[in-house]
Amino acid sequence: EVQLVESGGGLVKPGGSLRLSCAASGFIFRSYSMNWVRQAPGKGLEWVSSISSSSNYIYYTDSVKGRFTISRDNAKNSLFLQMNNLRVEDTAVYYCARVQHHLLVDVWGQGTTVTVSS
Amino acid sequence: QSALTQPASVSGSPGQSITISCTGTSSDVGNYNYVSWYQQHPGKAPKLMIYDVTNRPSGVPDRFSGSKSGNTASLTISGLQAEDEADYYCSSYTSSSTVVFGGGTKLTVL
Repeated sequence: EVQLVESGGGLVKPGGSLRLSCAASGFIFRSYSMNWVRQAPGKGLEWVSSISSSSNYIYYTDSVKGRFTISRDNAKNSLFLQMNNLRVEDTAVYYCARVQHHLLVDVWGQGTTVTVSS
Repeated sequence: QSALTQPASVSGSPGQSITISCTGTSSDVGNYNYVSWYQQHPGKAPKLMIYDVTNRPSGVPDRFSGSKSGNTASLTISGLQAEDEADYYCSSYTSSSTVVFGGGTKLTVL
């Protein structure tokens, strides 16, 4: 069974940092690009970042450029999102997502909640 | 990158058909056949329902169909069922090598 399990969310003060992790299983992780997608409370989905299978291509939405870093460890079937200088508006459920072609997401994790508040 | 435009809500009775529109620009929906639709029930992760404008993943009922004309994509659900009540999001690949989502549409089955 294809599975993505996120962890690392929590409550952090503005300006703080968090590192999200996503453990993948049930498929050949190193063959797929991966996305992080977030959803603020009561709001819609927002693409955050993408990383290609071998980490050669990395993209970010404008609002997180310079603050977030996406990475992966294919040997450990893991995806990461390092989030620095967090803002209140970064509060959201963060989903790890498997990508098919052209950033199409076909599998989603259950999400991990990040709350940025003083 | 601005979000794709979807109606905030649609509704229909069991057995009826509804259509949800998703309007973008020539930099996303209008230029690529890489439009997807996702269903999200409250408190759950999204689920892929349609990809590449018209294709259904295995296991998705054929009551769900997709189409596109110009800068607007559409999701049609025929033979509405109670379990179809959910939020629906469209997404499109963009010319900036990113992906943009719609604002979401709440479907109510009356």
